Amino acid sequence: GIQVEQSPPDLILQEGANSTLRCNFSDSVNNLQWFHQNPWGQLINLFYIPSGTKQNGRLSATTVATERYSLLYISSSQTTDSGVYFCAVDPLYSGAGSYQLTFGKGTKLSVIP
Amino acid sequence: DTAVSQTPKYLVTQMGNDKSIKCEQNLGHDTMYWYKQDSKKFLKIMFSYNNKELIINETVPNRFSPKSPDKAHLNLHINSLELGDSAVYFCASSQDVGRGELFFGEGSRLTVL
Repeated sequence: GIQVEQSPPDLILQEGANSTLRCNFSDSVNNLQWFHQNPWGQLINLFYIPSGTKQNGRLSATTVATERYSLLYISSSQTTDSGVYFCAVDPLYSGAGSYQLTFGKGTKLSVIP
Repeated sequence: DTAVSQTPKYLVTQMGNDKSIKCEQNLGHDTMYWYKQDSKKFLKIMFSYNNKELIINETVPNRFSPKSPDKAHLNLHINSLELGDSAVYFCASSQDVGRGELFFGEGSRLTVL
C-alpha cells in the first residue's frame, strides 16, 4: 500500500516562530488532507488540498502532486498550535468504490511561550 | 451543532464485556467510517459504509461489528473485549466515496481493564 512519511516527527518552537512540516507519499493520490489533533484529542480539518496552495490565516499548505509531497506552513506560532499534525492521503488506485485515507505518523508540535 | 457526534466519549470496562459506540452525522454525507487510534497515535481505518452498505472492512477481528441503520448513523459494537482493544475510536464522514473532506467526531476513548 501507499507509504506516507511525515517529518520532522517532533518539533519544539518558541512562540512567534515559523515552521514547515512535510508530508511525502509514495504513490499518486486522489486526495490529501491535513489535520491537527489538539491536546484534547480532537481531530480538526486544516486543509483539503490534493494539489496547489491554500491559505487560512497563519496556516498555509502546498501540495505538489507530481513530486508526491505536501508542505504545511505555520507562521507566528502560538501555544494553541501545539498538538499533532497529520497528513492523510487517498491513493489514486485504492480500488473501485473505495476511499481509504492513509495517515502518516504525524508531527508532534510543541509551542512554548 | 456538532457535525459528527459520538457517544460515549469515555468507556471503561472489564475484559470479556460487550460494548457499543454510537455515531451520528448531520452533514448529509453518504459515507461514514470508523478509525482506530492506538497508543502511539497511529490512525487506521477499520470500516467504511456508503449509504448503509459496507464498502471497506479492514483486517479487524470479527468481534467488531459495525451497523448502519441509515446513512446518518454508524454504530460500532464490540464483543468479548480484550486488553488490546483499548484505544480511541473515531467516527468520520465524507460527502461520498472518494469525494470531499473527511470530518471526524470527537473520539471515544475505550479502556479495557
